[in-house]
Amino acid sequence: KNEVEQSPQNLTAQEGEFITINCSYSVGISALHWLQQHPGGGIVSLFMLSSGKKKHGRLIATINIQEKHSSLHITASHPRDSAVYICAVRLFHGGSQGNLIFGKGTKLSVKP
Amino acid sequence: SQTIHQWPATLVQPVGSPLSLECTVEGTSNPNLYWYRQAAGRGLQLLFYSVGIGQISSEVPQNLSASRPQDRQFILSSKKLLLSDSGFYLCAYVSSGRIGDEQFFGPGTRLTVL
Repeated sequence: KNEVEQSPQNLTAQEGEFITINCSYSVGISALHWLQQHPGGGIVSLFMLSSGKKKHGRLIATINIQEKHSSLHITASHPRDSAVYICAVRLFHGGSQGNLIFGKGTKLSVKP
Repeated sequence: SQTIHQWPATLVQPVGSPLSLECTVEGTSNPNLYWYRQAAGRGLQLLFYSVGIGQISSEVPQNLSASRPQDRQFILSSKKLLLSDSGFYLCAYVSSGRIGDEQFFGPGTRLTVL
C-alpha cells in the first residue's frame, strides 16, 4: 500500500464546477503539501499545511490530522486550472532533512 | 528574490552514455537541496538530498550520483545511462535552516534514454 494515496487519478470537469481532490496518508506527518504540475512539467507549491484550512484565491486546502486526510478544493473551475495536482507529506520523523513522500497525482482537465 | 535554475530542459541520450544535470539556486545561502525523479506513470521519488557543500545523502540505490561542489550548485551524474533512467528530473530547495518550510522546485529536465 502506498503511503500517500490520491483520488481520483483522473478528473474531467466543466468550467465553473466545484472540484475536490482527496489525499489520504498512512504515516505520521509534520506537514502536507499540495503541488500543481503543469503540462510542461514545472511544479508550483500551492499550500503547505499542518492543521485546519488554508485559502488562496479559488483554492482551498483542508487537513484532518486525526483522520489522516486532506482535500484540495477548486471553486469556479477554469480551463487554466487543468494540471496535475500532487499531494506530498513530510514525515514526522524523517531521516531526510525535509524529505517529502509524494502521491501519484490527480490529473485535472477542465473543459470550457 | 530566490530562484532556481536547471539545465538542460530536455535531453536525449543513448544507453551507456554519461549524464550531467545541473541545478543552481539564487537568493539564498546554505539551502537544503534535493534531486527528484518522476518516471512515467509514477509519483515523484527522492533520489538525493544535501544539507551542505560536499554532503550528499542517497535515498535509493541506483545508477546515479550527486555532488554539491558549491553552496548553491547541485549536480546529478551518471557514468553510464540505463533505459530505466529515463524520466523527469526535478531539483528543489528549502531555504537555509528552515527545514519545516516549503520546497521550491526548478523547471525540471526531461531525460530520454534510447
